[in-house]
Amino acid sequence: DAKTTQPNSMESNEEEPVHLPCNHSTISGTDYIHWYRQLPSQGPEYVIHGLTSNVNNRMASLAIAEDRKSSTLILHRATLRDAAVYYCILRVPGAGGTSYGKLTFGQGTILTVHP
Amino acid sequence: DVKVTQSSRYLVKRTGEKVFLECVQDMDHENMFWYRQDPGLGLRLIYFSYDVKMKEKGDIPEGYSVSREKKERFSLILESASTNQTSMYLCASTLLGTTADTQYFGPGTRLTVL
Repeated sequence: DAKTTQPNSMESNEEEPVHLPCNHSTISGTDYIHWYRQLPSQGPEYVIHGLTSNVNNRMASLAIAEDRKSSTLILHRATLRDAAVYYCILRVPGAGGTSYGKLTFGQGTILTVHP
Repeated sequence: DVKVTQSSRYLVKRTGEKVFLECVQDMDHENMFWYRQDPGLGLRLIYFSYDVKMKEKGDIPEGYSVSREKKERFSLILESASTNQTSMYLCASTLLGTTADTQYFGPGTRLTVL
């Protein structure tokens, strides 16, 4: 999977919006942008993914830049339960068009939410 | 909801022991994965399987083997545990393996090798 760059850490206050940035300047046209998060003492969980258009789901929104070289995960109202490590991952097709679902995790962004 | 379960949350073994970590998924997923997670190194892929009895090495397969005799079950085997295999082990599964596919993780097994 191609490389992404995220800030090491961010802080937010409860009930405020949080914008988590990710740079992926080497992204190719068929690469999907995925976000996962990992709460303390748990396995990672899927948050959202997109290709070109902005995406919304019950957990978050994903804003993708027009040139696709960056994206932002938006938590509209942070809660204490959103404190986690957030990973931005590019999914690159492997041989035969599938990567078998392999994920390459970077260091992620540690999000701290203050009450 | 997809469920991925791992046989133990915490495990303590001695150097040289043979260790089995079991993972079961209940969603008929084709692909299953074993990762380990260490502070400062993030998650690293050990092995994965895209079908029953099929396996592929990940980024750090040395010292590990795997077994997938049934679709829902994927086992990670440490033939002779060593202290540098002390880590958090995470199992995951995904349906098809396309780039739009979602990966589901288990809760993890924290293995300590003494």
